[in-house]
Amino acid sequence: EDQVTQSPEALRLQEGESSSLNCSYTVSGLRGLFWYRQDPGKGPEFLFTLYSAGEEKEKERLKATLTKKESFLHITAPKPEDSATYLCAVQAAGSSNTGKLIFGQGTTLQVKP
Amino acid sequence: NAGVTQTPKFQVLKTGQSMTLQCAQDMNHNSMYWYRQDPGMGLRLIYYSASEGTTDKGEVPNGYNVSRLNKREFSLRLESAAPSQTSVYFCASRGQLAKNIQYFGAGTRLSVL
Repeated sequence: EDQVTQSPEALRLQEGESSSLNCSYTVSGLRGLFWYRQDPGKGPEFLFTLYSAGEEKEKERLKATLTKKESFLHITAPKPEDSATYLCAVQAAGSSNTGKLIFGQGTTLQVKP
Repeated sequence: NAGVTQTPKFQVLKTGQSMTLQCAQDMNHNSMYWYRQDPGMGLRLIYYSASEGTTDKGEVPNGYNVSRLNKREFSLRLESAAPSQTSVYFCASRGQLAKNIQYFGAGTRLSVL
């Protein structure tokens, strides 16, 4: 069964304290892995797509990496405005036409000034 | 520049009442999706429409029906609401097939008493 697990569930950091969020997945052929950011009371907002092991994407203080079993979202010198829930999702190879995604439970990040 | 628009934003129902959640996208996307989000459960797919004229069940379809009214609009109907359907509902649409990015609305917060 295709599955996505994110850890930790919650993470508290001091401003400037770098850390990583983990997304472990089992899927029958990975077509893509997606990271989203969700602010309280809002819908998820797209951040990155990764397609193959070894790929990396960066945006400001965020860097996403991918291996054959997991993805990491590295946050370098975070600021309070980085506080949000980060969601990971995968698309299996068999879902090309439907576009169906399988989401993890999310990691809620709080960055204190 | 609206993207995906959901109405209403909030709704309170009594057990047994019915209602329809509306979703419209202005990005000319073919595929649209309905999710529910519950604490600790992540986003779970209720129904999806891979293209205009087609709809299919997702992971948790029981108690729901959908209508793909046209390319822009995809509605979700609760025929007889139950307290277990208290949740936040998100609609999404999918962009270019090659990128497969889903874009989300702001959500409908539903309470069933």
